[in-house]
Amino acid sequence: DTGVSQNPRHKITKRGQNVTFRCDPISEHNRLYWYRQTLGQGPEFLTYFQNEAQLEKSRLLSDRFSAERPKGSFSTLEIQRTEQGDSAMYLCASSLGGALYFGPGTRLLVL
Amino acid sequence: TQLLEQSPQFLSIQEGENLTVYCNSSSVFSSLQWYRQEPGEGPVLLVTVVTGGEVKKLKRLTFQFGDARKDSSLHITAAQPGDTGLYLCAGDFRGTGKLIFGQGTTLQVKP
Repeated sequence: DTGVSQNPRHKITKRGQNVTFRCDPISEHNRLYWYRQTLGQGPEFLTYFQNEAQLEKSRLLSDRFSAERPKGSFSTLEIQRTEQGDSAMYLCASSLGGALYFGPGTRLLVL
Repeated sequence: TQLLEQSPQFLSIQEGENLTVYCNSSSVFSSLQWYRQEPGEGPVLLVTVVTGGEVKKLKRLTFQFGDARKDSSLHITAAQPGDTGLYLCAGDFRGTGKLIFGQGTTLQVKP
């Protein structure tokens, strides 16, 4: 399968813990996006990379969130000191500048 | 701030009926995409429209892009239970590939 992959698929954590998610994009895609989605709503933009450069970060994203894309390949999204409001599906997508291709998402539950 | 308004938010119909979902904005899109998402999975691209007035067909699905590139519609003919899911429109306003999503339309087709 050469689509976008995300790990883990599910994560349950206690409030205050740190979590890290990984995204492996389609290999030839130079752009990588992170979105967050709550139940029954559309995805909300968090940040995106072109190659290894982080070009934009949502103003809604607090300082507890950080994303990296070393070497312009896979990306990680870390949430520090998780809060219950962070519970959501975290989606990764990649593209060559046109349509976005999404991974299956990581569902986070903060207890 | 660019916003996409999608309507209706919920739709429950019988198999064989037709339906239309609308996506509107006060801003001009560089391009617009429609996605379908099933529970626990990432959105899957259905179509991309770029040119004002463009009409694209995908089997029983017809997508239309408004002449002014500010609105779009998705029409499903003779809906089937397999069409059940969350339908999302997403606009690229600046040509960067960063998408702004509507809140989605949850469609349920009953046999």
